[in-house]
Amino acid sequence: SAVISQKPSRDICQRGTSLTIQCQVDSQVTMMFWYRQQPGQSLTLIATANQGSEATYESGFVIDKFPISRPNLTFSTLTVSNMSPEDSSIYLCSVRLISYNEQFFGPGTRLTVL
Amino acid sequence: GIQVEQSPPDLILQEGANSTLRCNFSDSVNNLQWFHQNPWGQLINLFYIPSGTKQNGRLSATTVATERYSLLYISSSQTTDSGVYFCAVDPSAGGNNRLAFGKGNQVVVIP
Repeated sequence: SAVISQKPSRDICQRGTSLTIQCQVDSQVTMMFWYRQQPGQSLTLIATANQGSEATYESGFVIDKFPISRPNLTFSTLTVSNMSPEDSSIYLCSVRLISYNEQFFGPGTRLTVL
Repeated sequence: GIQVEQSPPDLILQEGANSTLRCNFSDSVNNLQWFHQNPWGQLINLFYIPSGTKQNGRLSATTVATERYSLLYISSSQTTDSGVYFCAVDPSAGGNNRLAFGKGNQVVVIP
């Protein structure tokens, strides 16, 4: 398995501001992903974070709203830009390890936008 | 895209009871995982099981890939089993290694 850490674990933000979430993994990984879980809902994939290049976004998610960086194999950031109350969710980092097909999730960042 | 349906959506169990959760998927998969999301939001890996049967303590899982379903069995349930159980699949074709999640099974175990 992998130890995945996310910072911050939770935050309360004002509308119109931006928040950057960090994800750090203790192992070499092949793929890193960002998911969103809105209150009472299932998980939805936002994007695949690609090392050294632009992330691959899913339908309904755009780079201007959710810019993502992945400067190396074990670290990625997700920014939630120009936030509104509808962005209140848990944001989760997820990884697949080299030589494994199994996917693991970080502890999540619980975001509340007022 | 692939459809993932979980049933039942909600389940209330008396402590000590057994239960079965079901996951149906609409296309062939090369990855199927079961997760438990605890009340604090943490997703815990239960099983990586694209086919066959696995057991881990009081939990076991079976995936019949040819019939496109998976079952998660909880035996002698405990209050710590409460939470949401998610089934997630990665389609064999065009999935690009992306997990698609079902809506989950909300389980409450009462003492």
